[in-house]
Amino acid sequence: GDSVTQMEGPVTLSEEAFLTINCTYTATGYPSLFWYVQYPGEGLQLLLKATKADDKGSNKGFEATYRKETTSFHLEKGSVQVSDSAVYFCALSKTQGGSEKLVFGKGTKLTVNP
Amino acid sequence: NAGVTQTPKFQVLKTGQSMTLQCAQDMNHNSMYWYRQDPGMGLRLIYYSASEGTTDKGEVPNGYNVSRLNKREFSLRLESAAPSQTSVYFCASSADRAIYGYTFGSGTRLTVV
Repeated sequence: GDSVTQMEGPVTLSEEAFLTINCTYTATGYPSLFWYVQYPGEGLQLLLKATKADDKGSNKGFEATYRKETTSFHLEKGSVQVSDSAVYFCALSKTQGGSEKLVFGKGTKLTVNP
Repeated sequence: NAGVTQTPKFQVLKTGQSMTLQCAQDMNHNSMYWYRQDPGMGLRLIYYSASEGTTDKGEVPNGYNVSRLNKREFSLRLESAAPSQTSVYFCASSADRAIYGYTFGSGTRLTVV
């Protein structure tokens, strides 16, 4: 079935370091891809998305490119801040039974130290 | 503020007790979802409702029931709580297509002892 695999955490970086969180997917058809972020004690928030191959989603300095040939959607940021400390979830959209749902990866916890 | 509201935020139950988790959204979204979040497991879909009056099972429905009371409200019921249902529960809603993004509530932390 459709699934998302993202790199195991936790990831610990110093402020201003470069961030990559890997995400690969398995899906039939052409799913849309997403990154969600969860700050401590809160629900998930949509960070960025891409709806077709070669699309680049971007928001708050984060970027991810939909790579169909490698079935990947890796999250990157050039210079992380302490405020980026959170859990990041990669997800894909799946249509089943006439409705569309999101399938999430297991999440990657990022800690940024000053 | 517009969004998804979940109640309660915290709950402790004894094994065998029942309870209902409440969720309401004020964004006129058609679709609503219940997920559980467990360490190392990510989010797993329990039940969803594509529109008022319809509900369907997700990945892990056993031990749960849901009610889509109206367009705004989608409740999750545990009839006989078990320790394996200790988790953080999130409600979410979306417009017709998931590509428009989900809006999540802030979660209910449930402990079953």
